[in-house]
Amino acid sequence: GAGVSQSPSNKVTEKGKDVELRCDPISGHTALYWYRQRLGQGLEFLIYFQGNSAPDKSGLPSDRFSAERTGESVSTLTIQRTQQEDSAVYLCASSLVLGGSNQPQHFGDGTRLSIL
Amino acid sequence: AQTVTQSQPEMSVQEAETVTLSCTYDTSESDYYLFWYKQPPSRQMILVIRQEAYKQQNATENRFSVNFQKAAKSFSLKISDSQLGDAAMYFCAYRRYNNNDMRFGAGTRLTVKP
Repeated sequence: GAGVSQSPSNKVTEKGKDVELRCDPISGHTALYWYRQRLGQGLEFLIYFQGNSAPDKSGLPSDRFSAERTGESVSTLTIQRTQQEDSAVYLCASSLVLGGSNQPQHFGDGTRLSIL
Repeated sequence: AQTVTQSQPEMSVQEAETVTLSCTYDTSESDYYLFWYKQPPSRQMILVIRQEAYKQQNATENRFSVNFQKAAKSFSLKISDSQLGDAAMYFCAYRRYNNNDMRFGAGTRLTVKP
């Protein structure tokens, strides 16, 4: 598609369950970001992928959070043993990298995660 | 650490009027980027405008312009001729040059009155 695609759009799950969120970036975008947005708040950086380099995991809040990306395609964000404080919208963004400089990020519609 | 502050949780403007959204940031870096993103109820983040810190000229995009004051670490967004479709959350963001971590402010909810 033309834009960043995220699935599912909404996810409701019970506390303690694992969840997997998916992001399909814009074709040709080598950089991919995950953010968390709690209700009424700004975005928190979680993790960044650039090509085949080691990901920047500096924003992951705990070891229950992990993410993978195969090459320059789809990424999945996994949250294990979910807690109620994990309830948020999880946004994915992708961008081009030109001349070593990251271009503006294009965002998906996000996944709204609700932990019961 | 870099922080971004938006001191106006909510703003309101009459259709066709002009409104200015405030943003300040804290950094010790000299090279960085600043952004304004719009987030309508659909949740999608839409880039409105961006400014490179090394450029003295303020960025403009149609009805949107910024007032970038580097010494004051201020980056306000001016929306001229406001339209109903401008109603959204607006986020100011900072990113250090050649760094992956983008820092966002808490946002300003803009309401446009017909």
